[in-house]
Amino acid sequence: ELKVEQNPLFLSMQEGKNYTIYCNYSTTSDRLYWYRQDPGKSLESLFVLLSNGAVKQEGRLMASLDTKARLSTLHITAAVHDLSATYFCAVDLLKSGSARQLTFGSGTQLTVLP
Amino acid sequence: DTEVTQTPKHLVMGMTNKKSLKCEQHMGHRAMYWYKQKAKKPPELMFVYSYEKLSINESVPSRFSPECPNSSLLNLHLHALQPEDSALYLCASSQFMGVISSYEQYFGPGTRLTVT
Repeated sequence: ELKVEQNPLFLSMQEGKNYTIYCNYSTTSDRLYWYRQDPGKSLESLFVLLSNGAVKQEGRLMASLDTKARLSTLHITAAVHDLSATYFCAVDLLKSGSARQLTFGSGTQLTVLP
Repeated sequence: DTEVTQTPKHLVMGMTNKKSLKCEQHMGHRAMYWYKQKAKKPPELMFVYSYEKLSINESVPSRFSPECPNSSLLNLHLHALQPEDSALYLCASSQFMGVISSYEQYFGPGTRLTVT
């Protein structure tokens, strides 16, 4: 059974600081996604990582994937208040036949303080 | 058009009611999904439809009944729900095998369900 572990679960950081969220998973996969969720809202896709060594950047967020270590990171640079949200990583596996399944990490609730 | 729509946005129902949630996409995606998300938890997969056929049922109680009438539409029929079924229900869609793509799932805005 695939397990996806995210840490930390809660993160309070000062504006302007840097931090990294980690996502470890237990089964080989070469597809991993990062989503953002604001309170009461749906999931917003941030990054799609499709191969070992993939690195994607958008604004103050950068995501990477190491399939050999089964690890993805989401790095936050010079945090601003607008980044406050819950961030989920999700690992994509072929489940049965040709149906694919996402398994989500527990989420990291990020609060950026002034 | 990269949008998945869901109706209604909010639903309050009693334990003896029958109601339905609706999800629609016009991106040509042939895989559609239902997820349940409780507060401060990650989404949990309920059902997957591939080419309008049910391919995954994650041991969901029979009081939830999915239906995929065509490639653009996905319904979730609700009957005799319990208060613990109150949650955000998310629909998603993705491209399918045979297309070299990320299979990225696009999520709808969700239906906030309250069972009284």
